[in-house]
Amino acid sequence: EDKVVQSPLSLVVHEGDTVTLNCSYEVTNFRSLLWYKQEKKAPTFLFMLTSSGIEKKSGRLSSILDKKELFSILNITATQTGDSAIYLCAVDSGGSNYKLTFGKGTLLTVNP
Amino acid sequence: DGGITQSPKYLFRKEGQNVTLSCEQNLNHDAMYWYRQDPGQGLRLIYYSQIVNDFQKGDIAEGYSVSREKKESFPLTVTSAQKNPTAFYLCASRPHEKSGYTFGSGTRLTVV
Repeated sequence: EDKVVQSPLSLVVHEGDTVTLNCSYEVTNFRSLLWYKQEKKAPTFLFMLTSSGIEKKSGRLSSILDKKELFSILNITATQTGDSAIYLCAVDSGGSNYKLTFGKGTLLTVNP
Repeated sequence: DGGITQSPKYLFRKEGQNVTLSCEQNLNHDAMYWYRQDPGQGLRLIYYSQIVNDFQKGDIAEGYSVSREKKESFPLTVTSAQKNPTAFYLCASRPHEKSGYTFGSGTRLTVV
């Protein structure tokens, strides 16, 4: 059974702090790992990672994948209150069905 | 604008009643998915469909049913057999394996 584990499950920081969110996985055939941000309702896409060691960056957010150790991290620098959200990690384990397996998410709260 | 529309946003149901949640997309995506989200549980896959007139059970299909008569539409019926239906339901679609999901804004179902 495919498995995605995120840590921590929740995190409270102050504005300006840097945070690192973790995602480890065990899947039969890895194709890609995706990060989403969910503020109130619909999760919004952040990154898709397919290759080890290549950092993806978008503003203050960045992410990297380690396919040997089977994990990914999502970094957020200089956090703002608008970064408060649930961050979801998902893995595509291949096959023809395109389905994703999600972790439980990390609830990030950024206090002013 | 292209996207996924879920309706209604909020739904109340009495115990023993079936209810149907709507999901419509105009993105021309082949694959569509239904997920359930509970606090602390992440997203769990209920059903998915890759093409019209075909769908497969996900990890928690018991007490749910779906249909895919048109490419644009993938309604989910929560039956009276679902023992704990109160949850947030998300519909998603995906064009191919090199892309992430696009999510709808969700339906919050409450059993009263």
